[in-house]
Amino acid sequence: NAGVTQTPKFQVLKTGQSMTLQCAQDMNHNSMYWYRQDPGMGLRLIYYSASEGTTDKGEVPNGYNVSRLNKREFSLRLESAAPSQTSVYFCASSGQGRGNSPLHFGNGTRLTVT
Amino acid sequence: DQQVKQNSPSLSVQEGRISILNCDYTNSMFDYFLWYKKYPAEGPTFLISISSIKDKNEDGRFTVFLNKSAKHLSLHIVPSQPGDSAVYFCAAGMEYGNKLVFGAGTILRVKS
Repeated sequence: NAGVTQTPKFQVLKTGQSMTLQCAQDMNHNSMYWYRQDPGMGLRLIYYSASEGTTDKGEVPNGYNVSRLNKREFSLRLESAAPSQTSVYFCASSGQGRGNSPLHFGNGTRLTVT
Repeated sequence: DQQVKQNSPSLSVQEGRISILNCDYTNSMFDYFLWYKKYPAEGPTFLISISSIKDKNEDGRFTVFLNKSAKHLSLHIVPSQPGDSAVYFCAAGMEYGNKLVFGAGTILRVKS
């Protein structure tokens, strides 16, 4: 049982390059999320998908796009990377998409933009 | 404007003693609170939660206390063990909402 799987684990980009972070869950969860973690800032929500076919902005959506490819997969795309997007990115899923439904996180993607 | 604040960046405790991690929130609409634990190079894992209709929830060595009037919650770990050394995140949300707001985290070090 893999839970939430993120690829890649590490990535270095140059300013202006693009990339897609992949996320897949095998728990049959309805809701999926993308967070970024920065020192002193905690985890901040970028985008989320309450159910297949829907996506909504979170707290820090600028510079990102998402695709809920199917129930299992939720990708995050950086169209033109900037140094401010250097961060650790976590994908998460939950069964009911409610505040009282604990999130299950992947192990993260560490992204450096030079 | 941080809606969830963990004012102690780090905490050091002797093995066997009590660890107390604190969290304050500003949004009175929050009615569900969770604690997550994170080891290096891993994602956060759910530890314990509490609904606003309760003031205490216990799970083994972990107890979460909620003081709604003060908009404050705390996590007690008794007794603390070296394996508890990790970053602890407080999170808050609305029971019928889709989003959690996280605090900045507290690094707990349990010394043996």
